[in-house]
Amino acid sequence: DAMVIQNPRYQVTQFGKPVTLSCSQTLNHNVMYWYQQKSSQAPKLLFHYYDKDFNNEADTPDNFQSRRPNTSFCFLDIRSPGLGDAAMYLCATSVNGREQFFGPGTRLTVL
Amino acid sequence: TQLLEQSPQFLSIQERENLTVYCNSSSVFSSLQWYRQEPGEGPVLLVTVVTGGEVKKLKRLTFQFGDARKDSSLHITAAQPGDTGLYLCAGADDYKLSFGAGTTVTVRA
Repeated sequence: DAMVIQNPRYQVTQFGKPVTLSCSQTLNHNVMYWYQQKSSQAPKLLFHYYDKDFNNEADTPDNFQSRRPNTSFCFLDIRSPGLGDAAMYLCATSVNGREQFFGPGTRLTVL
Repeated sequence: TQLLEQSPQFLSIQERENLTVYCNSSSVFSSLQWYRQEPGEGPVLLVTVVTGGEVKKLKRLTFQFGDARKDSSLHITAAQPGDTGLYLCAGADDYKLSFGAGTTVTVRA
């Protein structure tokens, strides 16, 4: 089945220790997104790629970076995680921007 | 940023009761999506509505898009415990979605 896969599902890191979350898709969608979601809140868009064109949201902290080496893969790098970065990180893909297909998420814990 | 307001924020009902969730905006969207999210999982797309006045049915779920394409509602008939989750509406604009804050629905057996 075509799908969006996120690894790992759970990630524990220490304060200030860099961490990378990964996302892959078999849908062959040209748009990929990274969202941050905190408990009982709506997902908050961090950035998105339209093909290789990177689009950063104005309020995304500099601590967050992303890479998309090819159509199928996208990575979220958190350079120096703080306690406030503990959240669910969701990857999504889309072909038209309006119908987005989400992965299961990575739950990040910062100790 | 276009804002979407959802109401109510929380809804707890007994099995087999009906419920309605509302999504309102002051802006016009080209389309509106409804998602359901279960704890620890990503949101799952339920429906997309595009045309003003459109009504779509998905088994016991009925979705309406307002004539002016600024508001939408989700109605669940005879709710079941499996309908429990966070319901999110989202409006599409230029390859991005603006999400409402969500409605947490709990259906008690």
